[in-house]
Amino acid sequence: QVQLVQSGAEVKKPGSSVKVSCKASGGTFSNFVISWVRQAPGQGLEWMGGIIPMFDTTKYAQNFQDRVTITADESTGTGYMELSSLTFEDTAVYYCARPRYFDWPPEDWGQGTLVTVSS
Amino acid sequence: EIVLTQSPGTLSLSPGERATLSCRASQSVTSNNLAWYQQKLGQAPRLLIYGASSRATGIPDRFSGSGSGTDFTLIISRLEPEDFAVYFCHQYGDSLFSFGPGTKVDIK
Repeated sequence: QVQLVQSGAEVKKPGSSVKVSCKASGGTFSNFVISWVRQAPGQGLEWMGGIIPMFDTTKYAQNFQDRVTITADESTGTGYMELSSLTFEDTAVYYCARPRYFDWPPEDWGQGTLVTVSS
Repeated sequence: EIVLTQSPGTLSLSPGERATLSCRASQSVTSNNLAWYQQKLGQAPRLLIYGASSRATGIPDRFSGSGSGTDFTLIISRLEPEDFAVYFCHQYGDSLFSFGPGTKVDIK
């Protein structure tokens, strides 16, 4: 079973960028969609976008299309999510997630990375 | 982009009772690719149901999903103490995925 291990917590200034990594331990990303999902404190889940590493195809939610870049290095089994022009409202836990089977929803989740935007 | 709405926002029930959660999509969900997740405080979401009605591995049969098109339902037949949590629906049929806002099931 693949485990997704994310990078550690970050504290960022407003207007800056953050890059979170997600490494697949014990397997690869294969041809599944790797999703990035965030959750602000006390709020719901928000799908930000996804990538199919094998084909290097990406898709972004409309709310994030101008500020998020999702990439993946298939050779190392590592995915990345970079969010720019940070505001206080971007303070959240950011998750990567992937399905276990083709055309399934995400089932394996990273442990989450807390990004705090503070002046 | 498909918008999902969930009702009710909060469901207050006692252990042993039946919980009925609703998820409505702004347009038809392709191939009924609708999932349900359970999330407890401080934890990542846990997949319960995929394909609108199939239980994920290890999910007890007191959880059942139904529906098609734009209207979906999650039923927990008899609430156990560990079932009090927040439940999210998620569509993965459209090219752009989305989550519903969640239903909190709390103890009455």
